[in-house]
Parts: sequence; structure tokens; C-alpha cells
Amino acid sequence: DQQVKQNSPSLSVQEGRISILNCDYTNSMFDYFLWYKKYPAEGPTFLISISSIKDKNEDGRFTVFLNKSAKHLSLHIVPSQPGDSAVYFCAASGYSGGGADGLTFGKGTHLIIQP
Amino acid sequence: NAGVTQTPKFQVLKTGQSMTLQCAQDMNHNSMYWYRQDPGMGLRLIYYSASEGTTDKGEVPNGYNVSRLNKREFSLRLESAAPSQTSVYFCASSERGGEGVYYGYTFGSGTRLTVV
Repeated sequence: DQQVKQNSPSLSVQEGRISILNCDYTNSMFDYFLWYKKYPAEGPTFLISISSIKDKNEDGRFTVFLNKSAKHLSLHIVPSQPGDSAVYFCAASGYSGGGADGLTFGKGTHLIIQP
Repeated sequence: NAGVTQTPKFQVLKTGQSMTLQCAQDMNHNSMYWYRQDPGMGLRLIYYSASEGTTDKGEVPNGYNVSRLNKREFSLRLESAAPSQTSVYFCASSERGGEGVYYGYTFGSGTRLTVV
């Protein structure tokens, strides 16, 4: 049973336009959400995160929105650039009190920015 | 450069052979993790170590063992490799201050393992 779902395996967007990547989760114990970007043959690179006590977090061209009632988050990239072409993973973490929680990942969305 | 270092980067094993994947971090993080990534599957947690001296199973631990050698190092061992263990393996480290408090989650560049 997938707890973090990215229902779009791929997304194609024109350069300069907005890219919107979506993620849904089922576990209400998740309290921290992260987005990672991954290029081929490299490890995932942290992009942006959001705590469950917030509904929006911005960092430059990247904004993450969290809708707790819908168990949905989205990553907006504005404007999209060719270097943004990569696989984007949504991940979630739940605090169990033990101090360490492995992240639960979605299957990823391959974003392609077209010139 | 500070971060997570994994060795080796590539490895080919024959079925039944054993090997250890090494991971070291220099960010003084308490927690370390091993993930595997398979096509179309995202990253799945194999084992993690909340702190030095502790290890716990993740989502897909069968066929693997781990050792938290010290605060910096966390190794993953395949005792008898199987073709189903062909994958890309990522080590990660993190520090967490409590509910909603988060200090970072950094991945290594990965080990690409093929079992024939």
C-alpha cells in the first residue's frame, strides 16, 4: 500500500512556464514533507521542504504548498528552466519520538522542460 | 566537501557472492539510512540507524545486514547476493530535533550493483 503517491510518471512543460508537480499521501502521522531532485547517475538532491504546521514554503523559483485536509502537496517551479529537467521525488517523514525516521518516497515524476 | 560518501560506485557480483557497501558522513548526523532504488519504484528504505549502536529494519530488509561502526560510518552487507538485489543503493544521513524540527537529509551519490 503506497503511502506517498505521485500519479504522474512524467510531465512536459515549456521553458519559462510554470511546472506543477503533485503528490498525495495517506498516512496522517506524516509531519514533514520534502521534495528531491535527481539527475541520472547521481544521488537525490534536497530541493525544498515543508512542515505540517505550514501551508506554504518558498525558496526562489520553488514553492511547495501543503493541503493537510486533502493530504495533498504540490511543488511549483516558476519560471521553468532547462536545468530543471530531472526526476522529482516527493517524500514524507513522521516523527515517532525515536529521533530517526526513514523517509517514505513516491515513485517520482520525470519533468521535461522543452525549449 | 562535506557530505555522504559511498564506496564502491559500481560493482558486479555473481549470485551467491558476498560484499559490503560502505558509507561515511562528515556532518555529525546521528541518523543514517540505506535505500535502494529500482526502476519505477522510487526509493525504498532497507535499514536505518537512529544513533550509534542502534539499527532497525525498514521496508525491504530481507537479504541484507547492516553495521553502525561508529557515528560516521554505516555499512550494508549482502551475505549471498541474488539477482533480485540488482539495484542502485543510496546511503543517507540526517539530524532531527523533534516533531516538526528538521536539520537535513543528505544522500550519497549511490552504488550501482549488478548481480549476475
